[in-house]
Amino acid sequence: DGGITQSPKYLFRKEGQNVTLSCEQNLNHDAMYWYRQDPGQGLRLIYYSQIVNDFQKGDIAEGYSVSREKKESFPLTVTSAQKNPTAFYLCASSTQAPALSYNEQFFGPGTRLTVL
Amino acid sequence: AQRVTQPEKLLSVFKGAPVELKCNYSYSGSPELFWYVQYSRQRLQLLLRHISRESIKGFTADLNKGETSFHLKKPFAQEEDSAMYYCALRRNSGNTPLVFGKGTRLSVIA
Repeated sequence: DGGITQSPKYLFRKEGQNVTLSCEQNLNHDAMYWYRQDPGQGLRLIYYSQIVNDFQKGDIAEGYSVSREKKESFPLTVTSAQKNPTAFYLCASSTQAPALSYNEQFFGPGTRLTVL
Repeated sequence: AQRVTQPEKLLSVFKGAPVELKCNYSYSGSPELFWYVQYSRQRLQLLLRHISRESIKGFTADLNKGETSFHLKKPFAQEEDSAMYYCALRRNSGNTPLVFGKGTRLSVIA
């Protein structure tokens, strides 16, 4: 698997600390997304970016922050303000498919964050 | 607001039996619907999209606008079909996020 990489695979954090999750893609995709996956909750959107230097809040953005300084990178910072940060975090990317009305999202392998 | 409902958390079927994973949605416009699958220790990947009207790994899904449903079906389940399945709805056209259901875990028993 290439395309989208996330690091680290596992991350441990003490309460009160900020931590940054990495997401890189070499697919030349314009849009990137961060989802949080919890058992029984499905995937919920945290933030997304449709173009460099622009991003939008998703459904559960509180306690998170992002940046999009480069097309290939979309790091997510989990701040100490996030009340329940222990979860599996998935990054995705997509591009406008020419002559088609859909845009497949490709997912990274995920980062499991555990707050101790 | 857009919403995707998958009523079954877990579905267990015997090998060779038919499978139907239910998905209902609420959306005021023309929906774009997808099924994603996550096999054990693998990343989430696209299985089907309604616009393609294709069959992948024996699975099909038909968009029923009258019933606002997009159920995933397979006539004969295989053990390798055991996975987590998510139904998803695109909010708007273009590079926009997906709204996911809570997922259904399919377990195919030998």
